[in-house]
Amino acid sequence: DTGVSQDPRHKITKRGQNVTFRCDPISEHNRLYWYRQTLGQGPEFLTYFQNEAQLEKSRLLSDRFSAERPKGSFSTLEIQRTEQGDSAMYLCASSHPGQADNEQFFGPGTRLTVL
Amino acid sequence: LAKTTQPISMDSYEGQEVNITCSHNNIATNDYITWYQQFPSQGPRFIIQGYKTKVTNEVASLFIPADRKSSTLSLPRVSLSDTAVYYCLVGDYYGGSQGNLIFGKGTKLSVKP
Repeated sequence: DTGVSQDPRHKITKRGQNVTFRCDPISEHNRLYWYRQTLGQGPEFLTYFQNEAQLEKSRLLSDRFSAERPKGSFSTLEIQRTEQGDSAMYLCASSHPGQADNEQFFGPGTRLTVL
Repeated sequence: LAKTTQPISMDSYEGQEVNITCSHNNIATNDYITWYQQFPSQGPRFIIQGYKTKVTNEVASLFIPADRKSSTLSLPRVSLSDTAVYYCLVGDYYGGSQGNLIFGKGTKLSVKP
């Protein structure tokens, strides 16, 4: 396992369409995070899983957003009825609680463009 | 969570030492200081973390004064490939915290030949 992977790397969609992104964390990591990053800003936390349990959701995660991690391995982030303001880089990260510094390993991100 | 303040941008030349200072006046007793690096079109990458005094690894050093209200990331002998955005983060990431990271805008470091 070479790291966190995300698919697709780029997604262009029309306003109002639904999109789904996938994240595969490092295999032994039981914590998985989703972040969103817009141009010129740092990443913003969206939601967090420990194993299959979604333990925290940011206020940024409107009801159009849903995330799942059904078997405690990969995760999906779905955005329904996309809006132009959803255009951003969506980053996934994973970590292992046994690490003292809680280092999070980030994937390359999925860049979403909503036309 | 403690708010951090760092310069928006910095310029340097290859071979120089670069020091990026971050202010975090409201840091709490349980908070650690962590730095991440991000290249364009990539996710952030952990550089270093510390609680007090000095921490050094193969990539950088982190200096934290006794009052912990600021910290300085030191990159020795930078190269063009160190051009990136550097984020300073403060939070209780150790032992039981959920650990979601709070990023600011970061410092955009440009290394010139």
